[in-house]
Formats: sequence, structure tokens, C-alpha cells
Amino acid sequence: TQLLEQSPQFLSIQEGENLTVYCNSSSVFSSLQWYRQEPGEGPVLLVTVVTGGEVKKLKRLTFQFGDARKDSSLHITAAQPGDTGLYLCAGWMDSSYKLIFGSGTRLLVRP
Amino acid sequence: ETGVTQSPTHLIKTRGQQVTLRCSSQSGHNTVSWYQQALGQGPQFIFQYYREEENGRGNFPPRFSGLQFPNYSSELNVNALELDDSALYLCASSFGQYTGELFFGEGSRLTVL
Repeated sequence: TQLLEQSPQFLSIQEGENLTVYCNSSSVFSSLQWYRQEPGEGPVLLVTVVTGGEVKKLKRLTFQFGDARKDSSLHITAAQPGDTGLYLCAGWMDSSYKLIFGSGTRLLVRP
Repeated sequence: ETGVTQSPTHLIKTRGQQVTLRCSSQSGHNTVSWYQQALGQGPQFIFQYYREEENGRGNFPPRFSGLQFPNYSSELNVNALELDDSALYLCASSFGQYTGELFFGEGSRLTVL
């Protein structure tokens, strides 16, 4: 069983549309991260959220950490073809040496 | 570009063979973690090396082993390859053992036939 569940697994939208990706768990995380991975490359960190209820914005991307620190969401406004990629949420547990990844959401933004 | 380099980028092996993958960490980083990413999945933690010692291990059998060298570069060795070992192997470097930002290399894609 996956400790971090992401939904949807795949999303195909038209340029200009908005979308939200969800990352859920029954476990508490000390922090959650979102990565983006493009074909043939390793994941690249987009953001880290640490405090329950925290909201961070990165241009058209808005990240939220749930109050109980068990879930997170990524919202993209006015998606562009350059946003296409695999979005991964990942969590750190207290005093843990391993980053736990979700299964990813593959986003395709059509021109 | 993260400054983490992995080699080789692609390789093909047959069942039962052994493979060694290499990773050079980013300058100033003393920790290397290895992850396996199967097709269509998120990365799964294999193990972490901190100051040349294995610091933690995921749910992988002993035929997955590693090393970290004094310059903090690292190797991942897999013996007795199985078809299910086909995956992208990612190396990530960081400073310190716990939490924080991981800097990933581009990965080594292993195909086992």
C-alpha cells in the first residue's frame, strides 16, 4: 500500500484551464514537498511546506499543506504546455532519513 | 542542473548478471540516497549513505548494496539481476541525514532482459 496517495493519476487538459492535484495520507508528515519530473530527468523540487495550513505560491502554482499535516494539494492556474510533466508529492516524517514519494500525477497540457 | 551526475545513463543487462551504478554528489554534500523508480511509479527509497556508512535502508533485498567514498561519491551494486529490477535508478545528494532538499541526478535507466 502507498503511504502517499496522489490523484488523479493522469490529467489531460487544454491550455488555459485550471487544475488541482491531491496528495493524501493517513500519516502525519513533518513536511511535504512537491517535485516535477520531466522525461529522462530526475525530480526537481518545486516547494516545501512545513506548517499545517500553510499556503505557498510560486507564480501560477499554489501549494497547500493540510491543517493536520496529512495531505497537500497543488493548484495550477491557466495551465501552459510547459507545465506538462510528472508531479510528485513527497513527505518527510519526523527524524526520518527517507523521503516517501507518492505515485505521481502525469499532467499533459494541450496547446 | 543540480550538480549531481550519474553514470551510465542507460544500460541493458540480462537476468543473473550484476550491475554497478555510479553517482557524484553535489559539492558540499555529505549524504547520498538511492531511489528506484519503476515505470509509471514514484521513486522508492533503497538506502542512504552518510559519511561513508549506510544510514538507513528501504524494503530491498541484500543483493542491493552500496558504497560511499571519502569524496562522498557513491555506488549502487545489484547482484543476480531480475526482470523486475528494470527501472530508473536515481541518486540524490544532500547535506545531513534528515529532511531537507534532495538534489537528484538524471538517473540511470536499467533494462534487464
